[in-house]
Amino acid sequence: QQPVQSPQAVILREGEDAVINCSSSKALYSVHWYRQKHGEAPVFLMILLKGGEQKGHEKISASFNEKKQQSSLYLTASQLSYSGTYFCGTEAGGTSYGKLTFGQGTILTVHP
Amino acid sequence: DARVTQTPRHKVTEMGQEVTMRCQPILGHNTVFWYRQTMMQGLELLAYFRNRAPLDDSGMPKDRFSAEMPDATLATLKIQPSEPRDSAVYFCASARDDQPQHFGDGTRLSIL
Repeated sequence: QQPVQSPQAVILREGEDAVINCSSSKALYSVHWYRQKHGEAPVFLMILLKGGEQKGHEKISASFNEKKQQSSLYLTASQLSYSGTYFCGTEAGGTSYGKLTFGQGTILTVHP
Repeated sequence: DARVTQTPRHKVTEMGQEVTMRCQPILGHNTVFWYRQTMMQGLELLAYFRNRAPLDDSGMPKDRFSAEMPDATLATLKIQPSEPRDSAVYFCASARDDQPQHFGDGTRLSIL
């Protein structure tokens, strides 16, 4: 089953912060975050493993609450280059390790 | 930087024609994924291989789609016969086991 992302879209001014959430109804082994710019391929941002680990990438960080099967992506002091569609991909692990199910995406637009 | 290479980048053809899309995974990656992306359905997994063996093709319409990996450096996705509803962007991604997936630039397919 596809994870649910919220919000569907967010508009920011440069320098503002945003949070994107990803929720699954299934037990998860890991959550992967990707960003896709218009007309381009999705690009890997970070992976969160079981254990509530928090990771960071520049001013982008994320958390994973395995009990709630939720992950959140935090974008701090947003830059114009952060604009794009953000996808979470969830991995159930076990025999389907490596297989991701992607959410519908969150469109992030950053204005000057 | 190592990249996943997909050909062709664009394909326009008429309904009923056979379409073949090719993917060269990153050297050393043993897992290859085929995704289809549309506005309505988002990023859907069609099939994936590990060490050239098909693991899951449950996302693929079996009557017209086929995916193969004739060797470790080539994966193919074929549609025969093609239909207008197959119009989409098809992405190939590769990974080493359950490590992050790297996406190719995609094949933009239009079926008239």
